Amino acid sequence: GAGVSQSPRYKVAKRGQDVALRCDPISGHVSLFWYQQALGQGPEFLTYFQNEAQLDKSGLPSDRFFAERPEGSVSTLKIQRTQQEDSAVYLCASSLGGDLYEQYFGPGTRLTVT
Amino acid sequence: GENVGLHLPTLSVQEGDNSIINCAYSNSASDYFIWYKQESGKGPQFIIDIRSNMDKRQGQRVTVLLNKTVKHLSLQIAATQPGDSAVYFCAETMDSSYKLIFGSGTRLLVRP
Repeated sequence: GAGVSQSPRYKVAKRGQDVALRCDPISGHVSLFWYQQALGQGPEFLTYFQNEAQLDKSGLPSDRFFAERPEGSVSTLKIQRTQQEDSAVYLCASSLGGDLYEQYFGPGTRLTVT
Repeated sequence: GENVGLHLPTLSVQEGDNSIINCAYSNSASDYFIWYKQESGKGPQFIIDIRSNMDKRQGQRVTVLLNKTVKHLSLQIAATQPGDSAVYFCAETMDSSYKLIFGSGTRLLVRP
């Protein structure tokens, strides 16, 4: 079946612009995660949804970052007033349930802020 | 992600040899560990996991070893193949947490 998909795959934004990154999880997966991966680093946790509820947003780096999953399926990560330090790959993952269920990752969106 | 291997420690092995990739984890309270493989332009892919009540677990061509005394994890790949070339990350978490903490990664290059 289809895996996790993300769009766009690449996004170039000018500093100060707002961006929206989309994640389509595997159908039926309850849990959804967003990670940020800087160049040459491992992914870092941003936020976690169980269905439509955002249960943990402790990893969001600032109040310019906002994530939603209004119907418990597709999720959007929005970054307002982008800064150069926001340049990274944004990964989405989904799993059947929380905790220790295997997380399946999408290919990521590479964001470059100029 | 793209160019995920830049600035990472690199292990270069001959095709057919065994590979050992090491990871020092950070939290002594972590009790669940996972190895991920990440190819260029792709997201991390689950390889194998191990709980802290074990010190060894084997999969197909892969073995994970856990040494809790020194907080060390290793991934052994037998008969390494060109398709194994990628960046490998270890990740840790606690049993009650969904939050994965990834290590910094090692790039594996397989020479034909």
